[in-house]
Amino acid sequence: AQSVTQLDSQVPVFEEAPVELRCNYSSSVSVYLFWYVQYPNQGLQLLLKYLSGSTLVKSINGFEAEFNKSQTSFHLRKPSVHISDTAEYFCAVSLRGQGTGKLIFGQGTTLQVKP
Amino acid sequence: DAGVTQSPTHLIKTRGQQVTLRCSPKSGHDTVSWYQQALGQGPQFIFQYYEEEERQRGNFPDRFSGHQFPNYSSELNVNALLLGDSALYLCASSLGDRGPKNIQYFGAGTRLSVL
Repeated sequence: AQSVTQLDSQVPVFEEAPVELRCNYSSSVSVYLFWYVQYPNQGLQLLLKYLSGSTLVKSINGFEAEFNKSQTSFHLRKPSVHISDTAEYFCAVSLRGQGTGKLIFGQGTTLQVKP
Repeated sequence: DAGVTQSPTHLIKTRGQQVTLRCSPKSGHDTVSWYQQALGQGPQFIFQYYEEEERQRGNFPDRFSGHQFPNYSSELNVNALLLGDSALYLCASSLGDRGPKNIQYFGAGTRLSVL
């Protein structure tokens, strides 16, 4: 079975400061990795994904995440956050190869950006 | 290009009642997955429909059932509602076996409150 652990339930940070949201996963088979963002009263938006290739993936709004196979981690980082980044962030995995693409989510991390 | 649409946005029911939630997938997508997101939690996979058949099911009781129509839209039905069924219900669509099925696009969700 697969599981995802997001190590911090809340991360408060001041505007323009760097941030890291931590994600570790457990799986006996290879997985794909995702970060989703959820703004208040909205659904989930795909922020970035790791399917194959370079272990460092980047989003268009400045976030990046690095797949570390040995540490089974996929931490999300941003060098300088904005007030508008305040949201709930979810790390998720799904099985490689055959399968339905079912996503297994972590509990979420609330990013609170303060002015 | 319309994204994933869900209806209704909010719903209030009483214990024991039955509810039907609806989802239209993103244009071109043929697979629909349903997730339950309890307050303060990450989404939990309920089931997935492909070619009008339930392809995979998560750890949810038989009170939760679904349907997929020939136009790929889907319904989620919950019978004999319990207080614990109060949650945000998210629909996600993907390309099934014709593309990167692990890439799922989410709707804004239906907020169900059971009183």
